[in-house]
Amino acid sequence: DQQVKQNSPSLSVQEGRISILNCDYTNSMFDYFLWYKKYPAEGPTFLISISSIKDKNEDGRFTVFLNKSAKHLSLHIVPSQPGDSAVYFCAANFGNEKLTFGTGTRLTIIP
Amino acid sequence: DGGITQSPKYLFRKEGQNVTLSCEQNLNHDAMYWYRQDPGQGLRLIYYSQIVNDFQKGDIAEGYSVSREKKESFPLTVTSAQKNPTAFYLCASSGTVIMSYTFGSGTRLTVV
Repeated sequence: DQQVKQNSPSLSVQEGRISILNCDYTNSMFDYFLWYKKYPAEGPTFLISISSIKDKNEDGRFTVFLNKSAKHLSLHIVPSQPGDSAVYFCAANFGNEKLTFGTGTRLTIIP
Repeated sequence: DGGITQSPKYLFRKEGQNVTLSCEQNLNHDAMYWYRQDPGQGLRLIYYSQIVNDFQKGDIAEGYSVSREKKESFPLTVTSAQKNPTAFYLCASSGTVIMSYTFGSGTRLTVV
């Protein structure tokens, strides 16, 4: 039972344009959401997070939006840069439970 | 600098052999985790430990074993019972309040 879903395995975006990565979840108990970025042969690194009491969190070029009614969150990267090419994982949890990860979306930025 | 260290980075194993992957953290984190990543797949949880001398199976624990004798260390043994051990293995840790995980740089295991 995949509680966190990233339905797009890959995404290609022109450099300078906006990248939008999507994530859906099924567990309404989730109250904290995170995005991780992963380069090949490296561990994931934390990118940005959002609590369920908010609907938007911004950090530089990265913004995460949360739509609780739709059980959907998205990560916006603008402007996209070549170094953003990586696999992005969405993750969620509630209380003090362990994180549940999505399957990842490979983002490729085209110069 | 605090962090989480996995060693070795690359590991080759003959079929039928057990092999142990090391994971050490100096972040004073209580919880530690082992994940496996296969090409085109997400992160699958193997085992996790929320406190010393205690650990729980994750989604794909068969063929693996762990120990947590010290807070800093959470080694993973890939046994000969694991049918498809070739993969990229990631260790992570988190504090008492699980706001985020810190990951190691991973170990790529190849069975030859």
